[in-house]
Amino acid sequence: DAGITQSPRHKVTETGTPVTLRCHQTENHRYMYWYRQDPGHGLRLIHYSYGVKDTDKGEVSDGYSVSRSKTEDFLLTLESATSSQTSVYFCAISSQGSGNTIYFGEGSWLTVV
Amino acid sequence: AQSVTQLGSHVSVSEGALVLLRCNYSSSVPPYLFWYVQYPNQGLQLLLKYTSAATLVKGINGFEAEFKKSETSFHLTKPSAHMSDAAEYFCAVSDRGGANSKLTFGKGITLSVRP
Repeated sequence: DAGITQSPRHKVTETGTPVTLRCHQTENHRYMYWYRQDPGHGLRLIHYSYGVKDTDKGEVSDGYSVSRSKTEDFLLTLESATSSQTSVYFCAISSQGSGNTIYFGEGSWLTVV
Repeated sequence: AQSVTQLGSHVSVSEGALVLLRCNYSSSVPPYLFWYVQYPNQGLQLLLKYTSAATLVKGINGFEAEFKKSETSFHLTKPSAHMSDAAEYFCAVSDRGGANSKLTFGKGITLSVRP
């Protein structure tokens, strides 16, 4: 357990509405990541963060934005949700304190109808 | 660019049989390789990782994997399958072993274990 909490764990939303997923960690890990998991695609990196207010795009960043105003929180925002963003979203962390290993949260199931 | 290929989407074995899950990678730099396991409705758990030390890596739950550079492979094995091994398994590659690694995943393989 790397002290990662994702919220909400399950959400159903309508097309065109904004959605924010929160990742909270309690162990002061420097690096944080958002991945999405889809059948047949494995996990793909959306955005990542090197530290407070320091973020960058991953492989599938279109339609997503992130913010990290505090070390412990990494927010993923879908500005206008689309059905193609129906997925399971995983937050992950890593740091020297984690043995340079990436640990994953429990996931957030998002359905866009 | 890096990539991972996991051939087949589903493997079924009998309890007590050998488990072999295949992973081949492509990388322009010496790779760091990982196997993760995902149980239903849970996050991913690290099974083992290769970070350029010993080529035979032992992980949790009796799993191990061997890095073979000549074959660009990192196959996962377990001598005797247990029912509790039924899960989805992901191979991943990174160009660095440090904390700022960004993983590229394969599509995953679902392992079923028959009684």
